[in-house]
Amino acid sequence: AIRMTQSPSSFSASTGDRVTITCRASQGISSYLAWYQQKPGKAPKLLIYAASTLQSGVPSRFSGSGSGTDFTLTISCLQSEDFATYYCQQYYSYPITFGQGTRLEIK
Amino acid sequence: EVQLVESGGGLVQPGRSLRLSCAASGFTFDDYAMHWVRQAPGKGLEWVSGISWNSGSIGYADSVKGRFTISRDNAKNSLYLQMNSLRAEDTALYYCAKGGYYDSNANWFDPWGQGTLVTVSS
Repeated sequence: AIRMTQSPSSFSASTGDRVTITCRASQGISSYLAWYQQKPGKAPKLLIYAASTLQSGVPSRFSGSGSGTDFTLTISCLQSEDFATYYCQQYYSYPITFGQGTRLEIK
Repeated sequence: EVQLVESGGGLVQPGRSLRLSCAASGFTFDDYAMHWVRQAPGKGLEWVSGISWNSGSIGYADSVKGRFTISRDNAKNSLYLQMNSLRAEDTALYYCAKGGYYDSNANWFDPWGQGTLVTVSS
C-alpha cells in the first residue's frame, strides 16, 4: 500500500497567517492527490483534487501543488473558520490511503 | 442537491455481523463509483472499500479483506457494506462517499454522508 505522510501533525497559527501543510507519498502517484478539511463532529469536505484543482465553492485562499511524491496545501491568509484538521488522500491505486492528518489550531 | 444518508450502525458483539446501507439522491447514482471510509473515535480517516459504477471493480483495505463485502443496487440508488466477524478495532463512524465517474480514476470523495456509528463491544 502507498503510505501518505503529512507534516506537521499539528501546529498553531494566527488569523492572517500563511500556512503550508506537506504530504509525501511513499511512491510516485502522479497528480492523483486530494485534500480534505474536517471540523469536529462533521464529515470531511473536499478542498482540492488532482493535486491543484480547487473544488467548486472553496475559497481561493486555498491552493495545492506538487506531483510525484511531494505535495503541499497552502492557505494564504488564515481565517477563523479554517482552524480544522486537514487530510491528504492518494487515489492513484488501491488501496486508497490517507495521510494521518494535520491539526491546525489557533495560536 | 447531492445527498448520502447512511444507516444500519449500532452496537454489536465481537464476531457478529452488521449490514450498513447508504441511500443516494440528487445525482445519477449508477454513473459513479462509491466508497466506504471509516474513522475510529479520535483517529484519522481510513478507506475501507470502493466499488465501481457497474460493480466490475471492487477494492478493500487489507484490514477488512475477507470479512467485509461491498455491493450496490443501482435500481435502488443504494450502497451496502456487509460486515462479518466484527472486531473491537472495527469500531468507528462509517462514511459513505461518492467517487469517480464511470471508469475514470478520479476517486476523490465528494460529497460524504454524515456517517453511521458502529460499536463492537461485548
